[in-house]
Amino acid sequence: NAGVTQTPKFQVLKTGQSMTLQCAQDMNHNSMYWYRQDPGMGLRLIYYSASEGTTDKGEVPNGYNVSRLNKREFSLRLESAAPSQTSVYFCASRIERGNSPLHFGNGTRLTVT
Amino acid sequence: RKEVEQDPGPFNVPEGATVAFNCTYSNSASQSFFWYRQDCRKEPKLLMSVYSSGNEDGRFTAQLNRASQYISLLIRDSKLSDSATYLCVLIPSGTYKYIFGTGTRLKVLA
Repeated sequence: NAGVTQTPKFQVLKTGQSMTLQCAQDMNHNSMYWYRQDPGMGLRLIYYSASEGTTDKGEVPNGYNVSRLNKREFSLRLESAAPSQTSVYFCASRIERGNSPLHFGNGTRLTVT
Repeated sequence: RKEVEQDPGPFNVPEGATVAFNCTYSNSASQSFFWYRQDCRKEPKLLMSVYSSGNEDGRFTAQLNRASQYISLLIRDSKLSDSATYLCVLIPSGTYKYIFGTGTRLKVLA
């Protein structure tokens, strides 16, 4: 059981380049999330998706777009990367039942130069 | 004021010691609480949920104090493998946005 899978694990971009971070879960979870984690800042929510076809902004959505094409996959796109987007990105999912916890992927370490 | 506040530590404790962390929150309508553990350069993993009546899982005990708006995590008989960062997490009522604290770093020393 793979759980939540993120690709790539590492990426280096130049300012202005674009890329898509991929996330897939095989736990049949309804909700999916994208967080970024920076030193001293904790995890901050970028976007979340309560179900297939729906997305909502989190705390720090600027500079990002997301796509929830099906129940399994939730991608995060940087259209024009900036050095301020250097971070560790985590995808997470949860089942919509009570106060269920989040399950995280392994993370993507992104550096923008 | 931050929604969730934690002492960043590090807490350096010898093996076998008992250590406790607190986490304070500002939103009195917060509904659900969790403790997560995060090892260096890894993803956060659920340690335990926190229930109003308090709950225990082996050497770990979690408590919720709604009146004073804090949750706590007690670790008894600390092991070297307990060295990690412990994240406090809450869900405000009526949302499914998980709010994370910045974490408390624990180092258990041999």
